[in-house]
Amino acid sequence: DIQMTQSPSSLSASVGDRVSITCRASQSISNNLNWYQQKPGKAPKLLIYDASSLQSGVPPRFSGSGSGTDFSLSISNLQPEDFATYYCQQSYNNLWTFGQGTKVEIK
Amino acid sequence: QLVESGGGLVKPGGSLRLSCAASGFSFSSYSMNWVRQAPGKGLEWVASISSYSLDYVYYGESVKGRFTISRDNAKNSLYLQMNSLRAEDTAVYYCARVFCSSISCGFDYWGQGTLVTVSS
Repeated sequence: DIQMTQSPSSLSASVGDRVSITCRASQSISNNLNWYQQKPGKAPKLLIYDASSLQSGVPPRFSGSGSGTDFSLSISNLQPEDFATYYCQQSYNNLWTFGQGTKVEIK
Repeated sequence: QLVESGGGLVKPGGSLRLSCAASGFSFSSYSMNWVRQAPGKGLEWVASISSYSLDYVYYGESVKGRFTISRDNAKNSLYLQMNSLRAEDTAVYYCARVFCSSISCGFDYWGQGTLVTVSS
């Protein structure tokens, strides 16, 4: 199975900051990488697909990059509604796997 | 819209069948998945089924041989039959629709989840 490792597991930031989250795959997955946002008690929401494509309706302050084994999600000008947990997910094969999550908290 | 049902309290070794009712899109055209989340933990993919069940069905290692995913396109419904349940199967179970670009796929619509608790 392909393992996905996110870092950091949590971070503290202020409104207006720029933050980045990284995700590493245990083998090359080309750009078959998705990012999700989850708020407490809610279902996850797809933010980024194909490593860097913004899902419809997602604000452009969210961006994704990377290919192969190393990927990142960046959020610029952090807004109050962005404080949540973020997960990466590989879609290289049909045995989908998620990273362990990164919690973005208010400083 | 995706609406899960069927969760509840079950004893270890017991069985439960989850359902996911789909509406507002052409259900038969989409592959579907079950994803779970144990209390306070991350997301774990459970099972996938192609738009027409004969194409493929896949399972995560932790549920293989115990869980069965199925669908009824005529009823716009997805199912998860869970047998030989263990305490570690306790989680919120989500159904999710597969969205595919020209390059790869992701889960673009999710239900609200249904809680399964395995405890004596």
